[in-house]
Amino acid sequence: DAKTTQPNSMESNEEEPVHLPCNHSTISGTDYIHWYRQLPSQGPEYVIHGLTSNVNNRMASLAIAEDRKSSTLILHRATLRDAAVYYCILRVSGGSNYKLTFGKGTLLTVNP
Amino acid sequence: DGGITQSPKYLFRKEGQNVTLSCEQNLNHDAMYWYRQDPGQGLRLIYYSQIVNDFQKGDIAEGYSVSREKKESFPLTVTSAQKNPTAFYLCASSMSGQYYNEQFFGPGTRLTVL
Repeated sequence: DAKTTQPNSMESNEEEPVHLPCNHSTISGTDYIHWYRQLPSQGPEYVIHGLTSNVNNRMASLAIAEDRKSSTLILHRATLRDAAVYYCILRVSGGSNYKLTFGKGTLLTVNP
Repeated sequence: DGGITQSPKYLFRKEGQNVTLSCEQNLNHDAMYWYRQDPGQGLRLIYYSQIVNDFQKGDIAEGYSVSREKKESFPLTVTSAQKNPTAFYLCASSMSGQYYNEQFFGPGTRLTVL
């Protein structure tokens, strides 16, 4: 499976934008980039996913590098409720493979 | 409300006992999954099922067993053969095939083996 590399932790202030980076230099052409987040003692929650183009939804934006070797999850205005572990995951498309491989993720701390 | 339920939230067992964790979903999803999470670590896939009466081993299936007799239910049994069963267990479900986008997770069961 292609691997992702994320910083162990990041810190942000409330109301400011947050850019969470992810490197995936061995990504293949059919791998989707998924982001999930996990609040303490809860199950992970889907945030966003993309293949080649940048994506926006109500929770966040996903910026994908042109060579697809890296991506950035953007939270436009961090709130205290955004404090969580954020996982960047590559998923092979097609067939019946729905497997997600979670790394350690990035622990985001949001300061009031 | 549609969603995934796991029960109980906390579970304590003595070493050597088998224990079954419950997972139910009313999202009409074909696929269901079991993950294990240890402190400070990411999730690891134990078993997954894409359709009723069928399931596949994930990365760490040893010491675990599952069944999928109904679409809504995917119970996980932690057997006495699992050497380090104390962990946070998460169940998830998803649509399948071309409709797959995301996995929906339950609240988890924290198992402690004494």
